[in-house]
Order: sequence, then C-alpha cells, then structure tokens
Amino acid sequence: QQPVQSPQAVILREGEDAVINCSSSKALYSVHWYRQKHGEAPVFLMILLKGGEQKGHEKISASFNKKKQQSSLYLTASQLSYSGTYFCGTESHGGGTSYGKLTFGQGTILTVHP
Amino acid sequence: EAQVTQNPRYLITVTGKKLTVTCSQNMNHEYMSWYRQDPGLGLRQIYYSMNVEVTDKGDVPEGYKVSRKEKRNFPLILESPSPNQTSLYFCASSPGEGGYYGYTFGSGTRLTVV
Repeated sequence: QQPVQSPQAVILREGEDAVINCSSSKALYSVHWYRQKHGEAPVFLMILLKGGEQKGHEKISASFNKKKQQSSLYLTASQLSYSGTYFCGTESHGGGTSYGKLTFGQGTILTVHP
Repeated sequence: EAQVTQNPRYLITVTGKKLTVTCSQNMNHEYMSWYRQDPGLGLRQIYYSMNVEVTDKGDVPEGYKVSRKEKRNFPLILESPSPNQTSLYFCASSPGEGGYYGYTFGSGTRLTVV
C-alpha cells in the first residue's frame, strides 16, 4: 500500500521554507526521501530509521514520528535548485526478506521561483 | 565512476516480442530493484533482490521476470510485452545492511509497446 504524500504541489519563492509530509497506514521500519528533476533519475536525499537514526544530505532535515507512522521533510531557505518532485519511500518491516521492499508515495512537485 | 547502468535508454517494441532490459552496478551492492514510473502513480516496485539468487516480488510484478545470477547484474525480462507495460523503468541498487543506505538509480529506460 502506497504511503500518502501531502501536499501534492508546492510553489515557493527563493528563501521560503516548505514541509512535505509522508504518511503510512503500516508500521514503518524506515523512510527514504528522494528528489527527481524533470527527465532525470531520482536522487537519494535522506533515510530515517525507526530507531531514530538518520543519514543523508547535510542541508536537508527530516523527522520520523513513530506514533503516527509519518515523516516530514523540511526544506529551509529554498533555492532554485530545490525544484523537482520529492518522493518518500517506506519499508514496512524489519528483518528477513522484507528488507528491500521499498514502496514510494505519489510524489510532491516543488517549484521554486526567483 | 560508481554507477548503475541500464540499457537500452529507449526501446520501442511490438506486443508479444520478448525483451530484456539490462541493469549493471559497479559498487558491489547487495540490493537491487526494478521500478516503473507512470504519471500520477509515482514509482512502483516490480521486483527486488537482496543478493545473488535471492529475489522477491514488489507491488506490480505481473508480466515481468527477473534473475540475479551475478551480484552486479539484475536484468528485467518481459516475456510477452503488452501496451500497458509502456512506461519509464528504473533500476536501483543499495549496499543493503537492512536498509541503512539509500538507493542509487540508473538513468532509466523508456519503453513503448505498440
């Protein structure tokens, strides 16, 4: 079952902040965040694990709410280069053959104007 | 250069003609995965593999086959392609270790089945 992302689209001016949310109906083991620019492959931004560990892009922050099974991606002081489609991906189990089963949300289109 | 290489980048084929999309990574990654991307639906996982000879179904495996005979290669096989398999396909790989790392994506293969 796909995680649900909100909002579907965001329009910002340079320097403004944005938050993108990702919610799942399943108990999450990890949440990934990726950015995809038009005509390109998705690029890894960050991973958050249920134990609180985080690994990722130094200029991007995110949170993982275990109680709500929700993650939020925080984009602060946005730059033109932040434009693109942001996807969250969720792993719902820990251990065994469930590792590697990554389900993506439908994406959030972020547009940053000068 | 560390990368995931997919071939071909573009392919137009006819219904029912078997085809293979190749995927190779040079990073000694354990995990590999195939996704298809369709407008409004995000990235949907087709198959994934946690190591040589270990594969499992993703969310949309019907009509596809995979094999993992070597660690670096993970081909996607369409035995009898149909027009509803027209899509943008991505291969991705990750070091593994329980999902502590993000995925590196290939450049994509745009498949059209007529």
